[in-house]
Amino acid sequence: AQTVTQSQPEMSVQEAETVTLSCTYDTSESDYYLFWYKQPPSRQMILVIRQEAYKQQNATENRFSVNFQKAAKSFSLKISDSQLGDAAMYFCAYRRGTNAGKSTFGDGTTLTVKP
Amino acid sequence: EPEVTQTPSHQVTQMGQEVILRCVPISNHLYFYWYRQILGQKVEFLVSFYNNEISEKSEIFDDQFSVERPDGSNFTLKIRSTKLEDSAMYFCASGSLTEAFFGQGTRLTVV
Repeated sequence: AQTVTQSQPEMSVQEAETVTLSCTYDTSESDYYLFWYKQPPSRQMILVIRQEAYKQQNATENRFSVNFQKAAKSFSLKISDSQLGDAAMYFCAYRRGTNAGKSTFGDGTTLTVKP
Repeated sequence: EPEVTQTPSHQVTQMGQEVILRCVPISNHLYFYWYRQILGQKVEFLVSFYNNEISEKSEIFDDQFSVERPDGSNFTLKIRSTKLEDSAMYFCASGSLTEAFFGQGTRLTVV
């Protein structure tokens, strides 16, 4: 079974600084996708960034980028130039590539942004 | 930008009552999912639905739960005889092979 581990229950960052959220996963599959979702206090789940396992290049979306280390099964999220609106719970998720299977989520990391 | 829409946003029901949570997936997506998140806990998979049938379900998805796509657009989750422990945020998601998008969730409170 796939597992996703987020070892940092809470993180904080100063506004305009950079923060990295950690995620590791365990799978025997070779075809899969990894995601970071943001959940603000409204509890909506917002897709932040996506990484295909077959791609060596790390995904980037504006201030958000990932460090995908396939051999180490690590998928960290870097938020640059942090903004107050980035404060939220962040979930790392794994999804099997075949048959568009379910997503397995980590426990989440609560990010606080200090002004 | 297309989005997954869930209704209602908040539902309060008495223990033992049936509830139906509704979702309108993104129109060209073929894969549909329900997840739940009990307050303060992680997001848990309930069921996935493809080609008009359940493709996978978790241990949580017992006989109390059922899903339907009654009219080709809506995707519903029915919970029969709700229990206090069913109180949670319920998320619908729709996806393609490469990504999945979540609705804004329905907060279910069982009293």
